Amino acid sequence: GENVEQHPSTLSVQEGDSAVIKCTYSDSASNYFPWYKQELGKGPQLIIDIRSNVGEKKDQRIAVTLNKTAKHFSLHITETQPEDSAVYFCAASRGRDDKIIFGKGTRLHILP
Amino acid sequence: NAGVTQTPKFRILKIGQSMTLQCTQDMNHNYMYWYRQDPGMGLKLIYYSVGAGITDKGEVPNGYNVSRSTTEDFPLRLELAAPSQTSVYFCASTPTGLSTEAFFGQGTRLTVV
Repeated sequence: GENVEQHPSTLSVQEGDSAVIKCTYSDSASNYFPWYKQELGKGPQLIIDIRSNVGEKKDQRIAVTLNKTAKHFSLHITETQPEDSAVYFCAASRGRDDKIIFGKGTRLHILP
Repeated sequence: NAGVTQTPKFRILKIGQSMTLQCTQDMNHNYMYWYRQDPGMGLKLIYYSVGAGITDKGEVPNGYNVSRSTTEDFPLRLELAAPSQTSVYFCASTPTGLSTEAFFGQGTRLTVV
């Protein structure tokens, strides 16, 4: 089955700097790669996703890149703000009716 | 539109007791999932369902049971609670089709003592 590895487990960056979180996956049939943000005491929420037919997607300060050959994808957050402090999860799925497998998460701290 | 609703939010169980975590969604999603999240760890899939009447094991199904008699409800049953089941439990659902965004409930924090 699919296995998703996520690094680092903890990341601290100065406010205003960029943060990068990386994930690898094992199933070459996976074609949908979402990223979730989990704030304290809440369930995860989707922040951005990418499908295998594109290599990069941006939404304001957030971008995701995908390298299908190497089977890895990354989340980039620019101009970080205090409200970006949270746990971020990457995930992979074959899309349509297949289940989603999550990475172990990255706790992001934005330092003042 | 309430989305995914989990009850209870908190529960303390004694070893050997049983309980059911409730999950209901009003988005007419076919797929539903139960995850557990241990401190400092990610989300591990316990069970999932692709539709009413169908359930499948995930990564960590031992000690749990589920049922899916309706599209809306997906309860998770713990028969003989153990300290290793102390965790935060999340229910989620996804629609079929091209969009596979998962919608999560607020979670149930369970402590087994």
